[in-house]
Amino acid sequence: AQSVTQLDSQVPVFEEAPVELRCNYSSSVSVYLFWYVQYPNQGLQLLLKYLSGSTLVESINGFEAEFNKSQTSFHLRKPSVHISDTAEYFCAVSEVGEYGNKLVFGAGTILRVKS
Amino acid sequence: DTGVSQDPRHKITKRGQNVTFRCDPISEHNRLYWYRQTLGQGPEFLTYFQNEAQLEKSRLLSDRFSAERPKGSFSTLEIQRTEQGDSAMYLCASSLVPEKNTEAFFGQGTRLTVV
Repeated sequence: AQSVTQLDSQVPVFEEAPVELRCNYSSSVSVYLFWYVQYPNQGLQLLLKYLSGSTLVESINGFEAEFNKSQTSFHLRKPSVHISDTAEYFCAVSEVGEYGNKLVFGAGTILRVKS
Repeated sequence: DTGVSQDPRHKITKRGQNVTFRCDPISEHNRLYWYRQTLGQGPEFLTYFQNEAQLEKSRLLSDRFSAERPKGSFSTLEIQRTEQGDSAMYLCASSLVPEKNTEAFFGQGTRLTVV
């Protein structure tokens, strides 16, 4: 079984400041890693994912996350946030394999960007 | 194709009543998932289908819950004798397996309020 811990329930930050949202996971098997974003009154959208290869993955809107196997972490970072980044962010894992994309989510981190 | 759609978006029901939700996945997707999200928590897996076969059910899915995907396309989730604890957002997702770059696409959810 897998579990995901998002260490911060809320992260307030000023616009144009850097931000890091922390995610640690536990699993006895290899996993895929995901970050999903949920804007108010909208569904979950995939932000970025790690499946294999380079441990640093990037999104089209400036977020990046790095898979650290030794620390079982997949922290999300952005060097300069915008007001429009205000949303809830969920880290998730799934087991690698044929039936591997059932997701286990963390509790979420609300990112509040202030002007 | 406009993505995963769920109907209704909101449902208010009295305790003890039965409710049914519908999910229409992305048309070529063979896998369909149901998740439940309560306030302050990440989505929790309920069940999933591969085509019309229900392959796994979470222990969260009590006997009052039943899900179907009769023709391998849309799915329904029924809750019988609703309880206040059933109040949550019910999310549907779909994906295409086996695909290396596996990704689940989520609908906007059905918010259930049991009064």
